[in-house]
Amino acid sequence: EPEVTQTPSHQVTQMGQEVILRCVPISNHLYFYWYRQILGQKVEFLVSFYNNEISEKSEIFDDQFSVERPDGSNFTLKIRSTKLEDSAMYFCATTTFLNTEAFFGQGTRLTVV
Amino acid sequence: GENVEQHPSTLSVQEGDSAVIKCTYSDSASNYFPWYKQELGKGPQLIIDIRSNVGEKKDQRIAVTLNKTAKHFSLHITETQPEDSAVYFCAASSGNTPLVFGKGTRLSVIA
Repeated sequence: EPEVTQTPSHQVTQMGQEVILRCVPISNHLYFYWYRQILGQKVEFLVSFYNNEISEKSEIFDDQFSVERPDGSNFTLKIRSTKLEDSAMYFCATTTFLNTEAFFGQGTRLTVV
Repeated sequence: GENVEQHPSTLSVQEGDSAVIKCTYSDSASNYFPWYKQELGKGPQLIIDIRSNVGEKKDQRIAVTLNKTAKHFSLHITETQPEDSAVYFCAASSGNTPLVFGKGTRLSVIA
């Protein structure tokens, strides 16, 4: 079964440091997403990406966040200067088209200390 | 934008009993309603979905119902088993918007 792969599984970083979370989408999927889940809370939308550009972003996705697909395979989320409140699970998800089944990766647990 | 409310937040049932989780949504343009199961330490995994042109869908022990007029949809799990224990999320989206999730229901099936 095809799967979305995320690395690393766990990242601990100092406040103010930059982090890059990586995702390898399913090969024939066209739409890519990042979601965040603070411990014990719901899954929140951050950003969607299609055709090498952001198609939609939430209020959470401020200037500290950026996404790119640098080499045509990896899809990355960068947090420029991490804050304590950025500590959460970050999930990458991909779909073939809009409004179709979203496949989620296993997530990256980000801990900002 | 879309707002999805989910109830209950926790649910305990005896093995073999049924479990029902309910969600309401606010955006009448939403037309896709998936349900995800999240086990500890894993990402959400789709278990069933329904589109607005259908009122009910069933897959073995799992069924979902949709009432477009009332803007609510429900997940029904029959003959629950311990391996059904997990957090379940409902979600909604329209053709142009990303999934908006409910807050989740932690289901515990007691053997």
